[in-house]
Amino acid sequence: EDKVVQSPLSLVVHEGDTVTLNCSYEVTNFRSLLWYKQEKKAPTFLFMLTSSGIEKKSGRLSSILDKKELFSILNITATQTGDSAVYLCAYFGNEKLTFGTGTRLTIIP
Amino acid sequence: EAQVTQNPRYLITVTGKKLTVTCSQNMNHEYMSWYRQDPGLGLRQIYYSMNVEVTDKGDVPEGYKVSRKEKRNFPLILESPSPNQTSLYFCASKYTGTRSSPLHFGNGTRLTVT
Repeated sequence: EDKVVQSPLSLVVHEGDTVTLNCSYEVTNFRSLLWYKQEKKAPTFLFMLTSSGIEKKSGRLSSILDKKELFSILNITATQTGDSAVYLCAYFGNEKLTFGTGTRLTIIP
Repeated sequence: EAQVTQNPRYLITVTGKKLTVTCSQNMNHEYMSWYRQDPGLGLRQIYYSMNVEVTDKGDVPEGYKVSRKEKRNFPLILESPSPNQTSLYFCASKYTGTRSSPLHFGNGTRLTVT
């Protein structure tokens, strides 16, 4: 059965710290891996990765996919209180998005 | 503005009373899907549709029905709701052309079945 495992389940850091969130996956028909940020409402899209070793970057956030080792990481540098959220990793394959249970990130001012 | 619109945002109902949650997207996306989100279980797919008149079961389809008569609309129907269907529901859509594209989510419907 396809699955996505995220770690850690929760993380508390101080503002200004750098964090790394992990996502490993086991899939039968991989097409792409996505990262979403969820605050109190709908998940909002951050990155989509479809090729091995490609790094996507947007401001303080970056992500890389390793298709050989079947994992992805999401980095956030110089964290701010507005980064507090649940971060969801998901892969798209077999016509559906399969999500991990997320990492709850809390930034302390 | 490109968006996925769900209604209602909040719904409280009683066991057995049929209800429909509407979903509409204005991005001309072929693919639409429903998810439910529960604590500790994450987001799980209920049903999805690749295009008009094409629907298929996701991971947790029991107790739900869908229809796709028009490209923009994908309603979720609970014929006889039960308390275990109390959850946060999300509708989502995406483009399925030759390029990969992310799934865009509606703002969610919080359903309580008593």
